[in-house]
Amino acid sequence: DAGVTQSPTHLIKTRGQQVTLRCSPKSGHDTVSWYQQALGQGPQFIFQYYEEEERQRGNFPDRFSGHQFPNYSSELNVNALLLGDSALYLCASSFGRRETQYFGPGTRLLVL
Amino acid sequence: SQQGEEDPQALSIQEGENATMNCSYKTSINNLQWYRQNSGRGLVHLILIRSNEREKHSGRLRVTLDTSKKSSSLLITASRAADTASYFCATDEDSGYALNFGKGTSLLVTP
Repeated sequence: DAGVTQSPTHLIKTRGQQVTLRCSPKSGHDTVSWYQQALGQGPQFIFQYYEEEERQRGNFPDRFSGHQFPNYSSELNVNALLLGDSALYLCASSFGRRETQYFGPGTRLLVL
Repeated sequence: SQQGEEDPQALSIQEGENATMNCSYKTSINNLQWYRQNSGRGLVHLILIRSNEREKHSGRLRVTLDTSKKSSSLLITASRAADTASYFCATDEDSGYALNFGKGTSLLVTP
């Protein structure tokens, strides 16, 4: 049974560019959440998708947007990249919105 | 915002010893989870304890929850070098579904 997968594993972008990160949830899971983890910090909640809609959002600007597809996979888009967006981006999936969230390996984004 | 706060920030022990990490939080919760992270990789789920539970065990792990004090502890017994990692507690608030993490405890287990 495949766990949560994310692509790509690493990414280097320059300021002002746009990036799309992808996540496939664990089999049977219908909810996807995204987190940003800066170096030395705990993960920070970005948003959660359930039934193809954004259901809850953390304290992140509108430059961060997402999408959930009918097969429950999800994308995270970040526009107008800033140096401060450099971080590990984690995707987590769960069956239901309040159950255990299982995390993928993350995408490490470096903005130069 | 980070609701959970782990203590200590760093812990160094020898193999075979027990490791105890604490977590405090601020608001009412539905459940509290503990995760492990190795060298900036993805988080591995360790255990979930619900707000109406007081103690839970899983292998060498023992978690307690005191909702009156808004605190939890994670005990790892008979530590191994492979337990070296960062440990995070995460809570979800009554009002939402997001997991709120602290900054974690960095555990080093030396042979």
